[in-house]
Amino acid sequence: KQEVTQIPAALSVPEGENLVLNCSFTDSAIYNLQWFRQDPGKGLTSLLLIQSSQREQTSGRLNASLDKSSGRSTLYIAASQPGDSATYLCAVLNQAGTALIFGKGTTLSVSS
Amino acid sequence: DAGVTQSPTHLIKTRGQHVTLRCSPISGHKSVSWYQQVLGQGPQFIFQYYEKEERGRGNFPDRFSARQFPNYSSELNVNALLLGDSALYLCASSVNRGGDTQYFGPGTRLTVL
Repeated sequence: KQEVTQIPAALSVPEGENLVLNCSFTDSAIYNLQWFRQDPGKGLTSLLLIQSSQREQTSGRLNASLDKSSGRSTLYIAASQPGDSATYLCAVLNQAGTALIFGKGTTLSVSS
Repeated sequence: DAGVTQSPTHLIKTRGQHVTLRCSPISGHKSVSWYQQVLGQGPQFIFQYYEKEERGRGNFPDRFSARQFPNYSSELNVNALLLGDSALYLCASSVNRGGDTQYFGPGTRLTVL
């Protein structure tokens, strides 16, 4: 059974810091991996999608990497801003392409 | 373009009642998936529908059912509500099933008393 773990559960940083969020999964047979952002009580916003054949994706200040063989992904956020404060969720799509399996998320707080 | 829309936004029901949640996907998207998110947890997969057929089902009891209509909108039905069904119910759509980016709606907050 696929399990997704995110470390740390919570993170507080001052504005301007670069930071890394970690995601690990137990079964390397995945279709793709997606990173989402969730603001309190709201839906999910897709940040980056990495196909299983890719190693990384970049969008603005965000860079996500994927090492399928070791079952790990990282989300790098450069020059953090207070507006980046949210919960970040990592999810892997099963090989059948039917279900996203999520971690519990990392709650990020960026102080000005 | 409008994103994924869900209705209602909030809902309060009592134990034993039935509830219907609705989702309209992004125009042109043929796949709709449903997820349940309880407080402090990541979303859990309930169903995926593609071209009006069920393509995937998560580990939820038969009290949960869904369907997709010819216009690709979808309904999630939950019978015999339990206190533990209180959660944020999220709908996601994608162009096709499989490896496309999934776009989530704002969710329906269900409270069961």
